[in-house]
Amino acid sequence: QVQLVESGGGVVQPGGSLRLSCAASGFSFSNYGMHWVRQAPGKGLEWVAFIRYDESDEYYAESVKGRFTISRDNSKNTLYIQMNSLRAEDTAVYYCAKDRGQWLDYNMDVWGKGTTVTVSS
Amino acid sequence: EKVMTQSPATLSVSPGERATLSCRASQGVSSNLAWYQQKPGQAPRLLIYDASARATGIPARFSGSGSGTEFTLTISSLQSEDFAVYYCQQYNNWPRTFGQGTRVEIK
Repeated sequence: QVQLVESGGGVVQPGGSLRLSCAASGFSFSNYGMHWVRQAPGKGLEWVAFIRYDESDEYYAESVKGRFTISRDNSKNTLYIQMNSLRAEDTAVYYCAKDRGQWLDYNMDVWGKGTTVTVSS
Repeated sequence: EKVMTQSPATLSVSPGERATLSCRASQGVSSNLAWYQQKPGQAPRLLIYDASARATGIPARFSGSGSGTEFTLTISSLQSEDFAVYYCQQYNNWPRTFGQGTRVEIK
């Protein structure tokens, strides 16, 4: 079955960096766009970033543009997000999610369980 | 950026009753609208996509309608497992945006 497993979360100081990973299995990873979505404690969902199946395009939320970089390794079925210049407001559970569209961009249809990032001194 | 506004923020419903949740887009998103359910401590789950298509494995008591700027999620007869937070999300444009959520609680 389709499975997404995030890792790499932890506690980091303001201004620090962290790289999250998402291991995918159970589907043709290289055919689907992938998203990162986050949820601050007690808050709603915030879409963060997207990368197309072939890495031809990336999109970012304004709140992370210039600080976060999404990438993927289709040979390893793995999605990444590099987070630099972290701020307290980046504290959240980070979910990776598979796009519903094969070779197209739609909504998320399968989500991982999430990994927690805490930005605190 | 398209702003998605959900109402009400909280809906109190008795088991077996009907629940109607609304989602409004600041500009038209055609039918590119999805609904998700999230229970405490869990990841969101896709319920509805393309405004009215049920995702795989979703019970028929969940239905979606609307297009353009006004959308509705209806749960025809609430079961105990349906008490959760529901989010709408547009995927017509970048950035993808979510509504703030509607919490469905037991009356």
